Amino acid sequence: AQKVTQAQTEISVVEKEDVTLDCVYETRDTTYYLFWYKQPPSGELVFLIRRNSFDEQNEISGRYSWNFQKSTSSFNFTITASQVVDSAVYFCALSGSMDSNYQLIWGAGTKLIIKP
Amino acid sequence: DAGVTQSPTHLIKTRGQQVTLRCSPISGHKSVSWYQQVLGQGPQFIFQYYEKEERGRGNFPDRFSARQFPNYSSELNVNALLLGDSALYLCASSLTGTHNYGYTFGSGTRLTVV
Repeated sequence: AQKVTQAQTEISVVEKEDVTLDCVYETRDTTYYLFWYKQPPSGELVFLIRRNSFDEQNEISGRYSWNFQKSTSSFNFTITASQVVDSAVYFCALSGSMDSNYQLIWGAGTKLIIKP
Repeated sequence: DAGVTQSPTHLIKTRGQQVTLRCSPISGHKSVSWYQQVLGQGPQFIFQYYEKEERGRGNFPDRFSARQFPNYSSELNVNALLLGDSALYLCASSLTGTHNYGYTFGSGTRLTVV
């Protein structure tokens, strides 16, 4: 079975602090993709990143960075120098291969609150 | 280019009624997926259609059905509504429907069943 766990239900930090959102996944597939999406109050899921299981390089995009570690089945997301506009619910998701490559398996999400 | 369009944005229905939700994918995308997101939870996969054929179905009762039209737009139908069907229904558009090209989501339809 495939599963995504986001243990942090809610995180609250003061603006300009760094914050890391944790994501742990389970899959028996050797080929899979991991995603992060942002969901602002409007409801639309905004794509942030997609990473395949063969690429363990960390990625940085502006204030965002992602740490993928297959050894611990984790794909963590760090926001550096957080801003109020970063406040949203963040979801980690998994897409496997074989029979389930057409669907995303989602974590429960982490609500991030950035206080001014 | 227009993004993924869903209609209506909000809907209130009574238990036992039927509802139809609509989704127009990004131009050129041939796959539409439907997800249900209950408040406070992550989305749950309902259906995926690719080239007008059902490719996959999640763990939802037969009260849920969908179809895809020749122009690749899609409808999600839910019969005999229950209070537990209250949720945000999200449509995702994709070129092929697999992770190879990613998914673009619409803003969703918020369904309230009273």
